[in-house]
Amino acid sequence: GDSVTQMEGPVTLSEEAFLTINCTYTATGYPSLFWYVQYPGEGLQLLLKATKADDKGSNKGFEATYRKETTSFHLEKGSVQVSDSAVYFCALSDQVRDDKIIFGKGTRLHILP
Amino acid sequence: DAGVIQSPRHEVTEMGQEVTLRCKPISGHDYLFWYRQTMMRGLELLIYFNNNVPIDDSGMPEDRFSAKMPNASFSTLKIQPSEPRDSAVYFCASSLKLPEQFFGPGTRLTVL
Repeated sequence: GDSVTQMEGPVTLSEEAFLTINCTYTATGYPSLFWYVQYPGEGLQLLLKATKADDKGSNKGFEATYRKETTSFHLEKGSVQVSDSAVYFCALSDQVRDDKIIFGKGTRLHILP
Repeated sequence: DAGVIQSPRHEVTEMGQEVTLRCKPISGHDYLFWYRQTMMRGLELLIYFNNNVPIDDSGMPEDRFSAKMPNASFSTLKIQPSEPRDSAVYFCASSLKLPEQFFGPGTRLTVL
């Protein structure tokens, strides 16, 4: 079945460092891809999404590009802030059967001032 | 606008007790999802409703778990009897247009 694999955390960076969180997926069709963020004590929030190959999703300085050839959707940010400390989830949904989202295990990010 | 509302935010109970978690979806959203989050298993979909009707409950772990949606603005997830392995954070999410879902803040359940 469809699945998402993302790098295990925690990831610890200093403020203003460059961030990459790797995500790869397995899917039989052509899924939509997402990154969700979970701040401490809160529910998940959609951060960005991409629905077809080579699409780039972006929001709040974060970017991810839908790479069909490598089945990847890596999350990047050029300069992280302490407020970016959270858990990040890569996820996919099938474009035909879009009633379910399959989430990765999550990557905890700590940003040090 | 109010987001998804869940209550209680924290629940501590003893093994064998009945636990009821509550959710109010965003007004106008006709999909409602219940998830469970644990360190070991990550985020798991338990059940979801469309227009108050349960569509897929294949993720409900066992008969001790039940969920209802009596109207468009309220849903419950009940565990009876509760067990220590049910300790987790339970999220409710709602959706107007799939696949985007809006999550509530969660209920942290501890079963002693």
